[in-house]
Amino acid sequence: SQTIHQWPATLVQPVGSPLSLECTVEGTSNPNLYWYRQAAGRGLQLLFYSVGIGQISSEVPQNLSASRPQDRQFILSSKKLLLSDSGFYLCAWSGTRGLNEKLFFGSGTQLSVL
Amino acid sequence: DAKTTQPTSMDCAEGRAANLPCNHSTISGNEYVYWYRQIHSQGPQYIIHGLKNNETNEMASLIITEDRKSSTLILPHATLRDTAVYYCIVPLLQNTDKLIFGTGTRLQVFP
Repeated sequence: SQTIHQWPATLVQPVGSPLSLECTVEGTSNPNLYWYRQAAGRGLQLLFYSVGIGQISSEVPQNLSASRPQDRQFILSSKKLLLSDSGFYLCAWSGTRGLNEKLFFGSGTQLSVL
Repeated sequence: DAKTTQPTSMDCAEGRAANLPCNHSTISGNEYVYWYRQIHSQGPQYIIHGLKNNETNEMASLIITEDRKSSTLILPHATLRDTAVYYCIVPLLQNTDKLIFGTGTRLQVFP
C-alpha cells in the first residue's frame, strides 16, 4: 500500500533562517507531488506541484522553492524565512492515470517563524 | 477551478444526517465534483467524488442535481468525529493535476 511521510511535525525557526521540509512517498511510482500551505484559520493554498523529477510548477510568487531530486521525494525550501511563512505545510501525492485521481495528504508540518 | 460556493459553517446533532450543500453553477459537462474533509491539525481526507449520478460509499453519499449546478454531501448518521471542515472542489478539466481548495464548510457535530 502507498504511504506518505512528512517531517518534522512541528518546527520553530527564527526569521532569516533557512528551511528544508522533506516529503517521501512509498508504494507507488511517478506520482504527482504537491506542497500546500494553510495559514491559521484559512483555506489551503497550493504552493507547488510536480509531475516528474526536476519538474516544478509554482502557483504563487513567494519566498519558498521546491525541488524533486528523486521520483518519490519532494522538498520545500527557503533561504531566509519571513514571519509570513508561518503556517501548516502539507505534502500530498496523487496518481497520474488521468482524471479522477484522489489526493493523499501527509500529516503536515506546523511551522512557526519567530 | 470552477468556482464553488459553500456555507461557512453548519451545525448538526449527533446521530442525525448532516447535509452539506455546494453550488457550482459554472461547472462544465465533464468536470467532476470532489469532496474532502479536514479534521483540525490534520491533512485533508478524500471522501467521495461524482460526475452525474449519485454516489455512495462507506463514508458518505453525494447527490448531484440533474443540471449539475449544485450538489449535497450527506453524512447519514453524524458522529462527533465528523466535526471538520468540508471542502467541495471542481477542478478544471485542463488542470486535473491540481486541486484548489477553498475555505469550505466548518461542520460542528454536537451531542
